[in-house]
Amino acid sequence: SAVISQKPSRDICQRGTSLTIQCQVDSQVTMMFWYRQQPGQSLTLIATANQGSEATYESGFVIDKFPISRPNLTFSTLTVSNMSPEDSSIYLCSVDGKAGGRNEQYFGPGTRLTVT
Amino acid sequence: TQLLEQSPQFLSIQEGENLTVYCNSSSVFSSLQWYRQEPGEGPVLLVTVVTGGEVKKLKRLTFQFGDARKDSSLHITAAQTGDTGLYLCAGRNFNKFYFGSGTKLNVKP
Repeated sequence: SAVISQKPSRDICQRGTSLTIQCQVDSQVTMMFWYRQQPGQSLTLIATANQGSEATYESGFVIDKFPISRPNLTFSTLTVSNMSPEDSSIYLCSVDGKAGGRNEQYFGPGTRLTVT
Repeated sequence: TQLLEQSPQFLSIQEGENLTVYCNSSSVFSSLQWYRQEPGEGPVLLVTVVTGGEVKKLKRLTFQFGDARKDSSLHITAAQTGDTGLYLCAGRNFNKFYFGSGTKLNVKP
């Protein structure tokens, strides 16, 4: 399994500002994912971040709103730009890791964002 | 729309009772994972099932993958208060995971 950390763990931000969330993994991984989760709800995939190429965004998410960086195989950032209260959510990064010869997905602890 | 539907959405039971959570889809997945998530934490992987008809046991938890690899179930025997949490199934297709709608379980003492 992979150990994943995220910074910050939580933040309260004013509308119109931007927040960058960092995700650090303890091993090199090819694929990293960013999800959004409303409290108590399921996860919605925002984008897949691959090292050395542009992130791939899911329907309803755009690069201008959620720019992603992936400078190396152990690190990624997600920026939530020009925030509004609707962006209040938990943001989770995950990685695709191998365990027992199978690809499995592991999650960071999440970043709880509140936009006022 | 959710690719994977979970039922029930909410479940509140007494300690010691048994329960089953279902995860259904019209799509075929190469594998399916179950997670448990507690408040303030990320989802924690419980199990991965790969083969149609596969059954895996993790102490009091039994996971089954449907023969057609479109659905799965999670059965908990003699639930404990520590089982309380949000249970999520996730089906994998190529390099993407599709998450179920989630089942919020509350086990009362």
